[in-house]
Amino acid sequence: EIVLTQSPGTLSLSPGERATLSCRASQSVSSSYLAWYQHKPGQPPRLLIYGTSSRATGIPDRFSGSGSGTDFTLTVSRLELEDFAVYYCQQYGSSLHTFGQGTKLEIK
Amino acid sequence: QVPLVESGGGVVQPGRSLRLSCAASGVTIRSYAMHWVRQPPGKGLEWLAVISYDGSNKYYADSVKGRFTISRDNSKNTLYLQMNSLRVEDTAVYYCARDQGDGYNNDGADYWGQGTLVTVSS
Repeated sequence: EIVLTQSPGTLSLSPGERATLSCRASQSVSSSYLAWYQHKPGQPPRLLIYGTSSRATGIPDRFSGSGSGTDFTLTVSRLELEDFAVYYCQQYGSSLHTFGQGTKLEIK
Repeated sequence: QVPLVESGGGVVQPGRSLRLSCAASGVTIRSYAMHWVRQPPGKGLEWLAVISYDGSNKYYADSVKGRFTISRDNSKNTLYLQMNSLRVEDTAVYYCARDQGDGYNNDGADYWGQGTLVTVSS
């Protein structure tokens, strides 16, 4: 099973700032099969990025993904109030599609 | 309109069984892989199981393998999760989700239900 470790656990930033979230895998993620989700309380998760760097339908271009192998990054270029939430990475390169433990992005 | 609607959650005693359903409305699931994901209270997301579009391939997280069974009925546009030998630690909100791929090639889950709460308690 591939274990994903996200850092930091909590990120405190202000609107307008840049957010950089990290996701590290215990072994190489096949074919960059990595996704990022945004999750807010009382709502289902929302797919942001798939295939490491492809934005899902309707996702604004301030969200971007990068990385390969075992190290992946989600960047939010200019934070807006609606972006404060919990973010999860997920790998689907193996038959078991594991999630990271999440990064909480909170308002400073 | 909510594209996926889970049902079947509730309170159940340890050791008992429960079957969750996920009905698709306004979207089709027949060509797509489907997942079950859960979130225990105060914790993060946990992927549980995936089934290919045709039902031929199924994979499970170690935490539920041998106790939970994922299945689908494409004629009814519905996904199921049969949960047996339930434990207190299975208490969570359970989500169904549609993958962008067919299960032989996956690409992240783009449609999700609102979730159904399962509470395992004596």
